Amino acid sequence: DIHMTQSPSSVSASVGDRVIITCRASQGISSWLAWYQQKPGKAPKFLIYAASNLQSGVPSRFSGSGSGTDFTLTISSLQPEDFATYYCQQTNSFPYTFGQGTKLEIK
Amino acid sequence: QVQLVQSGAEVKKPGASVKVSCKASGYTFTGYFMHWVRQAPGQGLEWMGRINPNSGGTNYAQKFQGRVTMTRDTSITTAYMELSRLRSDDTVVYYCARARQWNNKYYFDYWGQGTLVTVSS
Repeated sequence: DIHMTQSPSSVSASVGDRVIITCRASQGISSWLAWYQQKPGKAPKFLIYAASNLQSGVPSRFSGSGSGTDFTLTISSLQPEDFATYYCQQTNSFPYTFGQGTKLEIK
Repeated sequence: QVQLVQSGAEVKKPGASVKVSCKASGYTFTGYFMHWVRQAPGQGLEWMGRINPNSGGTNYAQKFQGRVTMTRDTSITTAYMELSRLRSDDTVVYYCARARQWNNKYYFDYWGQGTLVTVSS
């Protein structure tokens, strides 16, 4: 199985800050990576696919990059509604696997 | 608009089975794979498997092979996930998720609201 590791596990930031979350795959997955946002008690929300493509309706302050084994999710200017947990997911091969999550908290 | 509506919370005894449903609407049900993902309280996401609603073909995570069965009823645009021989660590929230295809890879663009299954004696 491909193991996905996110860092940091949690981060505190303020509204307006720029935040970068990283995701590392245990083996190369080309660009077959997605990012999801999850708020407490809710289902995950799809943000980015194929490492860098923004899902329709997702604000442009979100961006993704990377290929191979190393990926990043950047939020350029945090808004109050962005405080949530973020997960990366590889869809290169079965079983699809997720990172352990990064909790973004208000400082 | 696309909607995935799951069945309600369940309480089961260890060793029993549970069947969770996922009613799809707002799109062509047979045109998109349906996946199942689960999440323990306060924990991360775990992929369980998928079903092709058109053919009924399935792929399961090895961890759940022999315990999970995914089916669908195209007449009522509903997918099902049945998990047998339940254990206490199956006490989690189960999600269905529609898979959108892009360049022969899949991403989960719509999710159900989740179904909490509690396994307790």
